[in-house]
Amino acid sequence: DAMVIQNPRYQVTQFGKPVTLSCSQTLNHNVMYWYQQKSSQAPKLLFHYYDKDFNNEADTPDNFQSRRPNTSFCFLDIRSPGLGDAAMYLCATSSPSGAQPQHFGDGTRLSIL
Amino acid sequence: GDSVTQMEGPVTLSEEAFLTINCTYTATGYPSLFWYVQYPGEGLQLLLKATKADDKGSNKGFEATYRKETTSFHLEKGSVQVSDSAVYFCALSDVGGGYQKVTFGTGTKLQVIP
Repeated sequence: DAMVIQNPRYQVTQFGKPVTLSCSQTLNHNVMYWYQQKSSQAPKLLFHYYDKDFNNEADTPDNFQSRRPNTSFCFLDIRSPGLGDAAMYLCATSSPSGAQPQHFGDGTRLSIL
Repeated sequence: GDSVTQMEGPVTLSEEAFLTINCTYTATGYPSLFWYVQYPGEGLQLLLKATKADDKGSNKGFEATYRKETTSFHLEKGSVQVSDSAVYFCALSDVGGGYQKVTFGTGTKLQVIP
């Protein structure tokens, strides 16, 4: 089945230690998104790629970066994680059409020690 | 800008009860509307969608109708099961700049007790 896969499911890092989360897709979608979701809240969009074009949301902290080396893979880098960055990180993909849904991975739950 | 308003949770129902989760939206264009479900520890899964006025989305016994005149997309199910316990997000999607701009509601937690 075509899908969005996130690794790892759970990630623990130390305060200030860089961490990378990964996402891969077999849907061949043009657009990939990274969301941050804190407990009992809606997902918050951090940024998205349309093919190779990177688009940052205005309120995404500089601490968060992303790479998309090819259509299938996308990475979220957190350069110096703070305690406030503990959250679920969701990757999603879509075609550009607004009529089609986004497809989500199962997320990576990030804990900061 | 676009916005989605969902009824506050949590909602607690007995098994086989009728479910309604209200959702209203504001949008400048003609968005598509979605309901996503999130089970504990998992990502969001599409439950149903509607892409134009008067469309009815349905899946697994859940239904929602795109009502342009009332800007609503209420989720209903005639008889809930314990396995329906999850968080439900109403969302609208518009295309801007070549990508989907998705606006989510705050989510409604549903707990179904036997």
